[in-house]
Amino acid sequence: QVQLQESGPGLVKPSETLSLICTVSGGSISHYYWSWIRQPPGKGLEWIGYIYHRGSTKYNPSLKRQVTISVDTSKNQISLRLTSVTAADTAVYYCVRGVAPYSGYDRGDYWGQGTLVTVSS
Amino acid sequence: QSVLTQPPSVSGAPGQRVTISCTGSSSNIGAGYDVHWYQQLPGTAPKLLIYGNSNRPSGVPDRFSGSKSGTSASLAISGLQPEDEADYYCQSYDSSLSGSGVFGGGTKLTVL
Repeated sequence: QVQLQESGPGLVKPSETLSLICTVSGGSISHYYWSWIRQPPGKGLEWIGYIYHRGSTKYNPSLKRQVTISVDTSKNQISLRLTSVTAADTAVYYCVRGVAPYSGYDRGDYWGQGTLVTVSS
Repeated sequence: QSVLTQPPSVSGAPGQRVTISCTGSSSNIGAGYDVHWYQQLPGTAPKLLIYGNSNRPSGVPDRFSGSKSGTSASLAISGLQPEDEADYYCQSYDSSLSGSGVFGGGTKLTVL
């Protein structure tokens, strides 16, 4: 059974960089797309972007200037970096397998439990 | 403002049938992208409920069904049970956003 686990600081100061890691177990990250999705407290889901195991990426246009997603196949990990954060970036961040607009990969079939990141001084 | 529009809330008594709509446009659902549905129980991560408009992953009861027509999609839940009380989200893609993933704003289902 594929399992995803997000990890990283729970508190980030405004204007600094948010960095999270998703570790995948129970399966290889190869040949799949991997997304980050976030959910502000009490609000809905927002797609941040995806990466293919070979490194190609696509980002939400509204976040494109802030976001970098990378992959480390040797560690079975996907990383998220979000620069110049503000309080509006406070959210639960989920690592998800899929959510790329390609047949068979277009839905999120495995989700991490999510990690809350609060942006505050 | 979400690209896909869902009603904020729906409710029904145990045993009843409810439907949740997901309205899009010609650049997302109407462009031919499939619609997927997720169930989010309180305090947990979303779970895939329906994929490819009308398909259920293994383990999802057949009380849950999905459909798509034109620029809209619907999730139907029959034989409502108390454990169905959750938030439900639709998801697709939008060609005007270069194929970005898009979600509905979510619908809170209350079982009376």
